[in-house]
Order: sequence, then structure tokens, then C-alpha cells
Amino acid sequence: GQQLNQSPQSMFIQEGEDVSMNCTSSSIFNTWLWYKQDPGEGPVLLIALYKAGELTSNGRLTAQFGITRKDSFLNISASIPSDVGIYFCAGQQLENTGNQFYFGTGTSLTVIP
Amino acid sequence: DADVTQTPRNRITKTGKRIMLECSQTKGHDRMYWYRQDPGLGLRLIYYSFDVKDINKGEISDGYSVSRQAQAKFSLSLESAIPNQTALYFCATSDHSGRPYNEQFFGPGTRLTVL
Repeated sequence: GQQLNQSPQSMFIQEGEDVSMNCTSSSIFNTWLWYKQDPGEGPVLLIALYKAGELTSNGRLTAQFGITRKDSFLNISASIPSDVGIYFCAGQQLENTGNQFYFGTGTSLTVIP
Repeated sequence: DADVTQTPRNRITKTGKRIMLECSQTKGHDRMYWYRQDPGLGLRLIYYSFDVKDINKGEISDGYSVSRQAQAKFSLSLESAIPNQTALYFCATSDHSGRPYNEQFFGPGTRLTVL
């Protein structure tokens, strides 16, 4: 299967700090998604990106679809305690016959009040 | 009430036992998926189904089987469980629409431990 590498694997930050994480692949993707998983819950979609170079915001979250189509970035500004969780990127290649997304390995975020 | 439900939420079983995990959805979606999540590996697709008569293998289908009993129900079976199938299992659904992507909605997960 496709390998999506996320970095960093984990982050410990102070409340109020900004957060940056990224996702890279050896393959080109046509759609990039970012999900957040709260403890004990399933992932929930945060942001979807469809075009290379696209920059999309959702409140304090901003995500970008890399120009090479092999990477994506997620930034969280002014972090708060409820930002704690695991963040996953996911990519889709339209050449697939189905709706299959490949998920990254996840970035675990801890916010220290 | 949750749109995507999974039962059981937790299960401990022994090697060699047959296990079934169930997923139900009230979203009216036609597509359903089973993933497993392992620490450091993210989510990997096991099987997916686009409608009641359609079943497709995902990235890691060996050792698993599925049944789409109805549009709203998709079950995952482990015929003979082994310890390396210990993981968190997620069901997801999506809607076939004309959007550029079809957002997947995830259930709360089933934590399975095989001793």
C-alpha cells in the first residue's frame, strides 16, 4: 500500500503556541484530507484539499496542498487544551477504482495548560 | 444518537476463536468501510463495500471476511483470531455524490484484544 509519513510523531506544546505538522508521500495524490481523533473516538474530518497549492482554513486551522502533490501541511494557531488528540492526514488517488484513502501514521498532540 | 455505531466497543478473546464485529449506520450512506488502527501505523483499510452486493478487499484483508447484510449494516469477521489482530477497529461510511471527495464518517471504534 501507499506510505504516508507524518511528522512529527508527537508534540508537546504550551497552550497558546502555534503547531505545524506535515505529511509526505512518494506518490502523487489528488485529494488530501486532515482528520482529528479525540481519545476514545473515531477520526473526524477537519479540512479537505482538492488542488495543488490550495490553502484552506477552518477556524484556527490552516492546511495546504503541496505544489508537488506529494505533501500536505497543517497548522494550528494559538493552541488550546481541546486541541489534544491525534491528527491524521489522508490522501486519495483518483486512479483508484474506489473511494480508498491512504492514512498517515498520525501526529499525537499534547497541549500543556 | 450516534450516526455510526459499532458493537462491541471492547472485546477480549483467545487465539483461534471466531469473532464478529458489527457496524450499523443511520446516515443512509451506500458505502461502508472497515479499518484497523495500530500505534504508529495509522489506519489501514481492510475491506470496503459500495452497496449491498459489492465487496472489495482493501490493503490488509488476509485473515478477515465481511458481510454486507443490508445497506445499513456491515460486519467484520475474524474466522480464527490471532494475537497480531489485536488492534482498534473502525467502521466508516460515505455517500456517493458528485463532490470531489466523499467524506468518510467514522464510528467510535472497537478495541479487540486477542490473547
